[in-house]
Amino acid sequence: SQQGEEDPQALSIQEGENATMNCSYKTSINNLQWYRQNSGRGLVHLILIRSNEREKHSGRLRVTLDTSKKSSSLLITASRAADTASYFCATDVPFSIKAAGNKLTFGGGTRVLVKP
Amino acid sequence: ETGVTQTPRHLVMGMTNKKSLKCEQHLGHNAMYWYKQSAKKPLELMFVYNFKEQTENNSVPSRFSPECPNSSHLFLHLHTLQPEDSALYLCASSQDWDDTGWPQHFGDGTRLSIL
Repeated sequence: SQQGEEDPQALSIQEGENATMNCSYKTSINNLQWYRQNSGRGLVHLILIRSNEREKHSGRLRVTLDTSKKSSSLLITASRAADTASYFCATDVPFSIKAAGNKLTFGGGTRVLVKP
Repeated sequence: ETGVTQTPRHLVMGMTNKKSLKCEQHLGHNAMYWYKQSAKKPLELMFVYNFKEQTENNSVPSRFSPECPNSSHLFLHLHTLQPEDSALYLCASSQDWDDTGWPQHFGDGTRLSIL
C-alpha cells in the first residue's frame, strides 16, 4: 500500500508566490526525501530530512518534518516558471524479502504550475 | 546529466515481441532500481539490486525479467507484454541501501508503448 500521499494533487500559482505542498505517511521512518520531476524526465532529488530533524533548507526550498503527525511539508519560496513540475515525497521502508536495508516508497505527487 | 543513462528513450512493441531496456550508471553506486510510472498512479518499485544481487522483487509478473551483470549495468528484459504494461520505466541508482538514507539518481526513462 502507498506509504506517502501528497496534498494538494495540483497547485497553480503566479511567479513570485510561494508554493506549499504536504506529505503524509503511515508508518515510522528513518528519513523522508523530496523529488522533482519535469515533464518527460526522470526524478531529481531535492532534499533529505532525517527523522531526528525538524526543518531543513536548501536554496529556495524549506522542508519540515513532524514525526508525531507523520507529515512533512515542502515550501518553495519566490517561485519561478522553471519550478513548474511534479513534486514527490518518498519515505523509507524495509525490504520485503531480505532484512537488511530499506527501499523508498513514493507518493502520487503534487503537480505545480507556475504562471509567468 | 544525472549520471544514469537509459536506452532506448522510446519503445513501441507488439505483445508478442521481445525487447530489452538498458540502464547504465557512471556514479560508482552499489544499488540499482527499476521503477514503473503509469499515468495517475504512484511510482511503483519493481526490482532492486545491491552489488549485483537481487534484493527485492515487488511481485512483478514474470514477463519482466531483470538482469544485473555488474554494479554499473541493469537490464529489463520484456516478453509477451500486455497493453497495461505501457508506462514510463525509470532506472535509478544510489550509493547504498541502508537506513541512513541515500538519494536516488534517476535516468530519464524509457517510454514504452504496447500495441
